[in-house]
Amino acid sequence: QKEVEQNSGPLSVPEGAIASLNCTYSDRGSQSFFWYRQYSGKSPELIMFIYSNGDKEDGRFTAQLNKASQYVSLLIRDSQPSDSATYLCAVYTDKLIFGTGTRLQVFP
Amino acid sequence: EAEVAQSPRYKITEKSQAVAFWCDPISGHATLYWYRQILGQGPELLVQFQDESVVDDSQLPKDRFSAERLKGVDSTLKIQPAELGDSAMYLCASSSRGDQETQYFGPGTRLLVL
Repeated sequence: QKEVEQNSGPLSVPEGAIASLNCTYSDRGSQSFFWYRQYSGKSPELIMFIYSNGDKEDGRFTAQLNKASQYVSLLIRDSQPSDSATYLCAVYTDKLIFGTGTRLQVFP
Repeated sequence: EAEVAQSPRYKITEKSQAVAFWCDPISGHATLYWYRQILGQGPELLVQFQDESVVDDSQLPKDRFSAERLKGVDSTLKIQPAELGDSAMYLCASSSRGDQETQYFGPGTRLLVL
């Protein structure tokens, strides 16, 4: 059974801080890794993807991948209250497998 | 910006009734997916189409669920009869032929079965 594990949270951070969201996966053959943001009652929105080991930065978001440790993370710098949402980690092997999501709360 | 369209956005039905959901993928996207998301969980794939053909329907409860994409563009997902446990968000996603991994979701249909 291919699995993607995330801490359900909530992760609470003050405005302006760095939020760190983590994800582990079980299938070593996984090649592509995605982060989706999902606001309450809305559909998932793709915010980052990463294929290679290391860091990938896009604005305030940085995705980090360590295939040896089967670990993916998402850092959100200068967190804003508008970042409050559930963040879904998804891993692609022959199909996209989602974690259960981590709920992030950014308080003013 | 191109988007995946879905309708209806909300559906309330009674158990044993039939329901249908419609999806129109991003123009030119050959691959279309239907997912089900239960509250507090991540989306789970129900069925994947490549053009008009089913690629993966291993998780589709075929005794009550059916899906079609007759002309390889828009798609319909049907449940008959609906059960209480079918209450969930039904999400449609699409991806391009050359990049099936990167999937874009529509707004979803929230189904409540009473």
